[in-house]
Amino acid sequence: DVKVTQSSRYLVKRTGEKVFLECVQDMDHENMFWYRQDPGLGLRLIYFSYDVKMKEKGDIPEGYSVSREKKERFSLILESASTNQTSMYLCASRGPRAPVAEAFFGQGTRLTVV
Amino acid sequence: QQQVKQSPQSLIVQKGGISIINCAYENTAFDYFPWYQQFPGKGPALLIAIRPDVSEKKEGRFTISFNKSAKQFSLHIMDSQPGDSATYFCAASTWSTLGRLYFGRGTQLTVWP
Repeated sequence: DVKVTQSSRYLVKRTGEKVFLECVQDMDHENMFWYRQDPGLGLRLIYFSYDVKMKEKGDIPEGYSVSREKKERFSLILESASTNQTSMYLCASRGPRAPVAEAFFGQGTRLTVV
Repeated sequence: QQQVKQSPQSLIVQKGGISIINCAYENTAFDYFPWYQQFPGKGPALLIAIRPDVSEKKEGRFTISFNKSAKQFSLHIMDSQPGDSATYFCAASTWSTLGRLYFGRGTQLTVWP
């Protein structure tokens, strides 16, 4: 069973803090993704990575950065958290048979910035 | 610009009825069209998917209809049940997108008992 694990289910941070969201997958997938989910806006792609140390901007990368030092781990970094980054963050991984490979999602991290 | 457009945003169906969610795309290079189902507090999970070489795929009560010429595809849920109440996302991808899926904005389905 593929498992995508996000380090926290709930997180509360203060404005201006540097925030790290961690994601680990156990199926040796090449592709990993970070989305944020907001009501009425669906799943918006922040960044994705198709290999170790490789990254591509998604649709809303401003205010975020990512790190992929190992194949199984993909980190999302909020350099200076702001209240408009309060959201649900979802990590996903996808295997090498893209585009037909299934994407597996973590359970999400609900981040509140106060 | 949104690559995949999904409608309706919300849908209320009576138990036993048919739920229909529609999606449209522009990029003719897309060659994989999955639907994901998300329950509250959970991440989305793959429900059913189709390739453009077939016009319909059925798995139990769930059917994808695909119209390549119209660049549209839809999810039909037959005999809808309260347990089907969830958010549904359509998506599309192709080899050139580095594994990226383009998602619709989602449809919140509520099935009344």
